[in-house]
Amino acid sequence: AQSVTQPDIHITVSEGASLELRCNYSYGATPYLFWYVQSPGQGLQLLLKYFSGDTLVQGIKGFEAEFKRSQSSFNLRKPSVHWSDAAEYFCAVGAYNFNKFYFGSGTKLNVKP
Amino acid sequence: EAGVAQSPRYKIIEKRQSVAFWCNPISGHATLYWYQQILGQGPKLLIQFQNNGVVDDSQLPKDRFSAERLKGVDSTLKIQPAKLEDSAVYLCASSLERGSQETQYFGPGTRLLVL
Repeated sequence: AQSVTQPDIHITVSEGASLELRCNYSYGATPYLFWYVQSPGQGLQLLLKYFSGDTLVQGIKGFEAEFKRSQSSFNLRKPSVHWSDAAEYFCAVGAYNFNKFYFGSGTKLNVKP
Repeated sequence: EAGVAQSPRYKIIEKRQSVAFWCNPISGHATLYWYQQILGQGPKLLIQFQNNGVVDDSQLPKDRFSAERLKGVDSTLKIQPAKLEDSAVYLCASSLERGSQETQYFGPGTRLLVL
């Protein structure tokens, strides 16, 4: 069965510290992987996506993610967190033809001043 | 470029009542999606349209939920009759074409509370 697991419900980091949000997936076919961000009262915004090629993907707002097939993971990272990064982050997995698309349950990020 | 528009933004109804949500996608986007996001969970894809045809509605509770996109532009999602467990945010998204390589653009959502 296809699924996406985000093991951390809440994470708090200090402003300027580094960040890593975990995502593990279970998918039968070659996965298309995504990270979205949802700020309060805002719609979901795509941060980055991975289809193939270089396993380290750069996204918007200084985020990057690394695809590790052996670990079925697609963790999101940022070297230095800003207060404006406080939001909820969702990992998602889909198939090429988008027949099925699954979101994880999300990780809420708090940023301490 | 205008984004995905949804209305209403909030709705409170009693159980067994009916409710409808409206979505206007980005101009020119052929594919439209409806998601249900229950508090504390990620969005769940309910239905996907390509122009005015349904591509996938396997996770739509068809006994009470219906959706249409008659002219291939805007779309309506209806719940009739509503249950308490339908309380959620209903998100609409659109993309230029179908396929995971296409970026989905999300609207702000409609927050539904069923009492």
